[in-house]
Order: sequence, then C-alpha cells, then structure tokens
Amino acid sequence: QLQLQESGPGLVKPSETLSLTCAVSGGSVTNSPNYWGWIRQPPGTGLEWIGIITHFGLTFYNPSLSDRVTISMDTSTNQFSLRLSSVTAADTGLYYCARRIFPYYFDSWGQGALVTVSS
Amino acid sequence: EAVLTQSPATLSLSPGERATLSCRASESVRGQLGWYQQKRGQPPRLLISDTFNRAPGIPGRFSGSGSEPDFNLTISSLEPEDFAVYYCQQRYSWPLTFGGGTKVQIK
Repeated sequence: QLQLQESGPGLVKPSETLSLTCAVSGGSVTNSPNYWGWIRQPPGTGLEWIGIITHFGLTFYNPSLSDRVTISMDTSTNQFSLRLSSVTAADTGLYYCARRIFPYYFDSWGQGALVTVSS
Repeated sequence: EAVLTQSPATLSLSPGERATLSCRASESVRGQLGWYQQKRGQPPRLLISDTFNRAPGIPGRFSGSGSEPDFNLTISSLEPEDFAVYYCQQRYSWPLTFGGGTKVQIK
C-alpha cells in the first residue's frame, strides 16, 4: 500500500526558504503515470494546490507561487521535495504531499507537515 | 483559472438526513470535477472523480452529479462519520483549483 510522509522544519523565519521532503513507500516515484504533488492548507481554511512533478520530472506550478516554488525528485531515495523561497506569515499552514494518478485526482496523501513562518 | 464556489458554507443536518452540496465552476471544466472529504486532523480523502465516479472503497450513499457549471455531491443518508468538510476540485485546467469547502455539521 502506498504511503507518503512529509518531513522538514516546523519553523521558518520570514524571508527564508521553506524546505519539505515527501518520502514515498510502497511504490516508486518513477512509476508511470504517477504525478506527485504538494497542496497546502492555511490554518482554518481551504486547500491550495502548489505544484506537481511527473514521474519523469516535468513540473507544473500554481502561477500564484511559481516565482518562489521548486519541486524536485530524488529517484535514489524515492522522495520528492518542495522548496518555497522568500516566505512570509501568509505561507504558514499545513503542507501535504500527495499522489495524483488516473483519473488524475489526488488519491493518496501524507498526514501533513505544519510549517509556521515566524521570527 | 477556474474558480470553484461551494455552497452552502455550512450545512446543519441530523444523522439519517440527506445532504446536498453544490459546487459552481466559473468556466467549463468539462465534467472533470471531483470531491474530497476531510475530517478534523486528517488529510483529504477522494470520494468522487469526474462528476459521478465513486473512488474505490467509497460507500454507495455518496453520489456525484451535475452538468456545467453546477455540480453536486449527495449523501443519501448521513452516518455519524460523514460529518466533515467537503471540497470540490477541478482537474481540467491549470492551475488545479479547489472550492472553499462545505462543512457538514450535526444539527
């Protein structure tokens, strides 16, 4: 059974870079046609799609974040990662990693990583 | 981008009652709209894909329907475990977008 687990610092200072990793078990990040995504949820509010990386490394980002976001994949460790630069308090929230698979919805999710942006 | 507007924001119902949640798309999503359930402290769970297809393991009391621009999620008879927040999401165009959510709470 596929499992995803987010990890990374829970506290990031304003203007610095948020970095999270999603470890995938029970499947390979290079399996076709898996897409691997990041979604965030500010406290008490709804879901915002951040971006996706395909099983062959192609990325798609939300235009609202695209100038600050990088998603990458490490096939040797079966992980994919999120970097969000120049963070502000508005970037505080729960960050989920998830798999997007045919019919191209998010069918498997990690438990989420809470990231607080504060000095 | 395709803006998804969910209504109502909150639905107060009793167990056994029927729940109907709505999601309106600002532009065509060609029926490529899904629904998720999120319980407190848990990640979202996929319920419905492409308007009406139930995801594996989802009980038959959950059903999706609709046509552009209005889509619905119906829970035919609410079970205690169904009280949660529900989100719609479209996959037709980039960026992927979610609705703001409907909270189904116990009356």
